[in-house]
Amino acid sequence: DAKTTQPPSMDCAEGRAANLPCNHSTISGNEYVYWYRQIHSQGPQYIIHGLKNNETNEMASLIITEDRKSSTLILPHATLRDTAVYYCIVRPSGNTPLVFGKGTRLSVIA
Amino acid sequence: DVKVTQSSRYLVKRTGEKVFLECVQDMDHENMFWYRQDPGLGLRLIYFSYDVKMKEKGDIPEGYSVSREKKERFSLILESASTNQTSMYLCVSGWGVGQPQHFGDGTRLSIL
Repeated sequence: DAKTTQPPSMDCAEGRAANLPCNHSTISGNEYVYWYRQIHSQGPQYIIHGLKNNETNEMASLIITEDRKSSTLILPHATLRDTAVYYCIVRPSGNTPLVFGKGTRLSVIA
Repeated sequence: DVKVTQSSRYLVKRTGEKVFLECVQDMDHENMFWYRQDPGLGLRLIYFSYDVKMKEKGDIPEGYSVSREKKERFSLILESASTNQTSMYLCVSGWGVGQPQHFGDGTRLSIL
């Protein structure tokens, strides 16, 4: 079973920041938080991951709370092409497979 | 860039056929996985492998087998295809130890 809780859907205006929340209250000390997204009819795409510290790359920022029980993925300037299902996944540092929940369907509106 | 290549984007087969889905990665990854994705059921793990000639069952292995003779290639085999195996099949590869896993574009398989 997925160890994360996400809202089923969100809307965001084009050009605005999209803030996608994820709750992972049972996360363990060695578990990372990963974010993927899936655009219709394509395979999921890796976005970003982190353990404790906030992370930023060319696609997004990941903010992890100090107690690590929740996180937020931030797309700073959402475009129509960011419309997708976004998955938040908690995974130990070893070789365990990814376990997907239902994700958040983000709709970016012009 | 990491490349995970699945041999076909779309495939149509008949009931009872033996079906091979191929996946190749070019990053010398140790770990490879096969998932299927169905509406309302999400992504479900079929089989995975952490090394050559090694395989582990996932959550729904029934009706499937796998082969990993070389590190870069992981094949999913439907021994005798049935209509309930019509699905999108996704191959994944990556390192462990806090590293991302990368997906192929998927194979949309229809069994008639």
